[in-house]
Amino acid sequence: AQKITQTQPGMFVQEKEAVTLDCTYDTSDQSYGLFWYKQPSSGEMIFLIYQGSYDEQNATEGRYSLNFQKARKSANLVISASQLGDSAMYFCAMREGPGSGGSNYKLTFGKGTLLTVNP
Amino acid sequence: NAGVMQNPRHLVRRRGQEARLRCSPMKGHSHVYWYRQLPEEGLKFMVYLQKENIIDESGMPKERFSAEFPKEGPSILRIQQVVRGDSAAYFCASSPPSTRSSYEQYFGPGTRLTVT
Repeated sequence: AQKITQTQPGMFVQEKEAVTLDCTYDTSDQSYGLFWYKQPSSGEMIFLIYQGSYDEQNATEGRYSLNFQKARKSANLVISASQLGDSAMYFCAMREGPGSGGSNYKLTFGKGTLLTVNP
Repeated sequence: NAGVMQNPRHLVRRRGQEARLRCSPMKGHSHVYWYRQLPEEGLKFMVYLQKENIIDESGMPKERFSAEFPKEGPSILRIQQVVRGDSAAYFCASSPPSTRSSYEQYFGPGTRLTVT
């Protein structure tokens, strides 16, 4: 079974509107971390936002927020007020375990969602 | 404070040649991770190294691939006798030796390997 599922291969949004990118995950660990990365056409991986499994509040970073629904095992990324520069691939990733060393360091990535922002 | 550096950014090799990919972690980081991204896929973990030690190479193909992180100098991912299926983007990430539990991996810009 896939550990990270991104069901939207592609999404379109109008400039200045909000968009939600879906991510569901599968783990039996109680402690884990969820990440979103942006990969523009230039290819680099840009960290956007992080949510720990024990964080009670949804993470926010500027125009990015993470809609964390633990019972549903979903960690959707919400981008508000989309900009043309937001057009890129977006990857959801998970690190299982507390991240304090040992085997708790691997990031498992989904297949990504290609977001296109239309003017 | 320079980020994670990878070189070369683009590498073209003919089938059967060797490819060497280099990664210099961020200053103060002693943990290095290599990931591979095949076309239209997400990144997949390959190997985790600390200085002079391979901690986990469970994601590395059993043959032709090796990695090292010497006491001095960059981490090297080496692919011998490359085949077309090795064409991919190879990303290096680094993290500090602390026990931070948040976004502890910082990615380099990647090396795009093309095998002709």
